[in-house]
Amino acid sequence: EPEVTQTPSHQVTQMGQEVILRCVPISNHLYFYWYRQILGQKVEFLVSFYNNEISEKSEIFDDQFSVERPDGSNFTLKIRSTKLEDSAMYFCASRIEGTTEAFFGQGTRLTVV
Amino acid sequence: KNEVEQSPQNLTAQEGEFITINCSYSVGISALHWLQQHPGGGIVSLFMLSSGKKKHGRLIATINIQEKHSSLHITASHPRDSAVYICAVPGGGFGNEKLTFGTGTRLTIIP
Repeated sequence: EPEVTQTPSHQVTQMGQEVILRCVPISNHLYFYWYRQILGQKVEFLVSFYNNEISEKSEIFDDQFSVERPDGSNFTLKIRSTKLEDSAMYFCASRIEGTTEAFFGQGTRLTVV
Repeated sequence: KNEVEQSPQNLTAQEGEFITINCSYSVGISALHWLQQHPGGGIVSLFMLSSGKKKHGRLIATINIQEKHSSLHITASHPRDSAVYICAVPGGGFGNEKLTFGTGTRLTIIP
């Protein structure tokens, strides 16, 4: 069964360092999302991406964040200069056109120390 | 902006019990999602429903569009059902496909 895959599953990084979280969405999906979940809190929307551009972003998604679909299969989330409060589980999701059903990756647990 | 509320926040039950988790939302939607989050953190989609009822094995989801309310039921609960169950809806109502999530219900089934 097709699935969304995320790498790495866990990343530890020093404060101020850049991190890139990677996602491979399901191949025929056209809409891509990043969500995050701070420990003990609810899952929050970060950004949606369609047709090679951001379609919507939340207040959380500031200039430190960027997304890219560099090669037609990967979908990446970059955090330029990580802060302690960026520590969270980051989920990638994708969907096809015409439905709101999103398929989620297993998440990347980012720990900023 | 859609507001999503779930209840209860925590639920502990004995194996075999019938489980009900509730979700209400504030803005009309095209569909509602029930998700399961495993102890390791991964999220799995259980149901997407826009009306009536859906059943997968021992899981049943119902939705009342007029009352903006959905329930997730688990029959003959088992310890492997222990997880966090999350309700999610399109964030801005109809046509807004990003998801807004509830806080989740942590379910623990005791053998």
